[in-house]
Amino acid sequence: DAGITQSPRYKITETGRQVTLMCHQTWSHSYMFWYRQDLGHGLRLIYYSAAADITDKGEVPDGYVVSRSKTENFPLTLESATRSQTSVYFCASSEAETYEQYFGPGTRLTVT
Amino acid sequence: GQNIDQPTEMTATEGAIVQINCTYQTSGFNGLFWYQQHAGEAPTFLSYNVLDGLEEKGRFSSFLSRSKGYSYLLLKELQMKDSASYLCAVMDSNYQLIWGAGTKLIIKP
Repeated sequence: DAGITQSPRYKITETGRQVTLMCHQTWSHSYMFWYRQDLGHGLRLIYYSAAADITDKGEVPDGYVVSRSKTENFPLTLESATRSQTSVYFCASSEAETYEQYFGPGTRLTVT
Repeated sequence: GQNIDQPTEMTATEGAIVQINCTYQTSGFNGLFWYQQHAGEAPTFLSYNVLDGLEEKGRFSSFLSRSKGYSYLLLKELQMKDSASYLCAVMDSNYQLIWGAGTKLIIKP
């Protein structure tokens, strides 16, 4: 299926566990992004990638790790989950820096 | 610091017109985006303004004044399906999007 997908859609994990959120896009877009969305806040950029093997920090990168070995995949790993990382996580992609971003359906993560 | 301000919630009547304002203070400016987000869903792109003026796209229009750090989204002939949150986002000098918290629009019959 064409588009941008995320898995899992829902995840409950315990404090201290490692968890990886997956993101896959089929458009061959150069840019990919990870955001978190919390009530009362706008979307906040965690990490982004301009191309395979190029990643950079966003506004709130602490506690997160990303990689991009292939253009189409951009996994986000929480190395040791904390309750403050309970959030909805959105992956997005775009053709170029100033182009519109296309968002995946989101992953709702709960850390207990 | 960087800041995007938009009203938290607005209510309007089906068939009417509503204007959602957004003011911003950012380090640099490379365009302003509006996105629509229905509850429980992902944001979807509505409009992009980089030059001053009004951009019209069907029932939706977006206006930008860079000198005033101001934009608005105008929705005409409101329909119940327009009930959603509307997100304003500014691309800063590093080409990163800075997002407002969103305006929840409630449409009443």
